[in-house]
Amino acid sequence: DGGITQSPKYLFRKEGQNVTLSCEQNLNHDAMYWYRQDPGQGLRLIYYSQIVNDFQKGDIAEGYSVSREKKESFPLTVTSAQKNPTAFYLCASLPRREANYGYTFGSGTRLTVV
Amino acid sequence: QKEVEQNSGPLSVPEGAIASLNCTYSDRGSQSFFWYRQYSGKSPELIMFIYSNGDKEDGRFTAQLNKASQYVSLLIRDSQPSDSATYLCAVISYTGGFKTIFGAGTRLFVKA
Repeated sequence: DGGITQSPKYLFRKEGQNVTLSCEQNLNHDAMYWYRQDPGQGLRLIYYSQIVNDFQKGDIAEGYSVSREKKESFPLTVTSAQKNPTAFYLCASLPRREANYGYTFGSGTRLTVV
Repeated sequence: QKEVEQNSGPLSVPEGAIASLNCTYSDRGSQSFFWYRQYSGKSPELIMFIYSNGDKEDGRFTAQLNKASQYVSLLIRDSQPSDSATYLCAVISYTGGFKTIFGAGTRLFVKA
């Protein structure tokens, strides 16, 4: 079955540490997205990518970085510059960026600073 | 003013009743509207989308859109305890470029 796989499900980060969240899709979708969800807030866009080797900042990109070396993969790195990284991170995809469809979401990664 | 507003709830309804969830949006350039269901600790899943004014029905779910009044609603008929979740409204705006904006969600609790 096609879908999006996110790993790990839970991740603990120490102060000053960089961590990378994995997102892999087998839907053959061109567009991929990273969202952050905090309690009581809507999903906020971190980064998105429309094609391989291209990505754009979203509304809250500071302290994050991404790469898109393969169509299937869109990993997110949470750097030490992100001062409040504890949140639920969601990877999503669309057939193409302008597609007028709802997102397919991965199962999410819950990141906690320890 | 938030771009997409939802009552945070919780909205509590008895089993078998109709649950009515509402969402308002500020951008008149918005064209597409989505409802996602999110169970606690899980990721959102798409349950309905609507593009045109009026009603759209899918099983026990009905989405209603009124672009003039800038609101979209979701009705859940014959509510079940398994419908207890947070419902997220999402709006695609084309003003200033293609952008999806999410509301913070409404928590629904269906009492058995």
